[in-house]
Amino acid sequence: DAGVIQSPRHEVTEMGQEVTLRCKPISGHNSLFWYRQTMMRGLELLIYFNNNVPIDDSGMPEDRFSAKMPNASFSTLKIQPSEPRDSAVYFCASSLGGQGGYSNQPQHFGDGTRLSIL
Amino acid sequence: DAKTTQPTSMDCAEGRAANLPCNHSTISGNEYVYWYRQIHSQGPQYIIHGLKNNETNEMASLIITEDRKSSTLILPHATLRDTAVYYCIVRVATNFGNEKLTFGTGTRLTIIP
Repeated sequence: DAGVIQSPRHEVTEMGQEVTLRCKPISGHNSLFWYRQTMMRGLELLIYFNNNVPIDDSGMPEDRFSAKMPNASFSTLKIQPSEPRDSAVYFCASSLGGQGGYSNQPQHFGDGTRLSIL
Repeated sequence: DAKTTQPTSMDCAEGRAANLPCNHSTISGNEYVYWYRQIHSQGPQYIIHGLKNNETNEMASLIITEDRKSSTLILPHATLRDTAVYYCIVRVATNFGNEKLTFGTGTRLTIIP
């Protein structure tokens, strides 16, 4: 079975450029999560969606970051303009989430996008 | 979600059982214990989760104490590929709108040849 697919795997760009990270969740999963990992702060949740609707974006660092989920099989995380402090590994995860009831289903992660802003 | 405490690092000989402890003394009755691991440069990998009964799957076993204040992840026959950072996370079996995982610093497990 295909897992969570992220692209690109690596991205190097100059400060000020727009960066778009992409994620395809596991088919049938209805919750999608974007995380960021750095040495200093570890793994942090940025935003998550349930049934394509953003539920909690309190982890999004600032207005330069935006995320969309136009359909159940695709999501993007965009940074515009990018800054060197945005350099990190960005992970996407998906799960079969709750729909008004309880869910204990685990999240499954992609292999991440390693982003370097020069 | 309840806070967890794990040792910073552990070593285990190849072929032996690796036992990774986790304390979660403030766990609530509806909170599950999840274990993930992260091998260098890869995304976190789900291992196992449980509520109060012991659980086993093809990767590992999870032993939860009767008072649920601590648990142990057991890798029965550790291999070099099990070298990774292991995270113990406690999370409520949540309803809609509160599904995030909070990762701590985990245990760095090194399998020794």
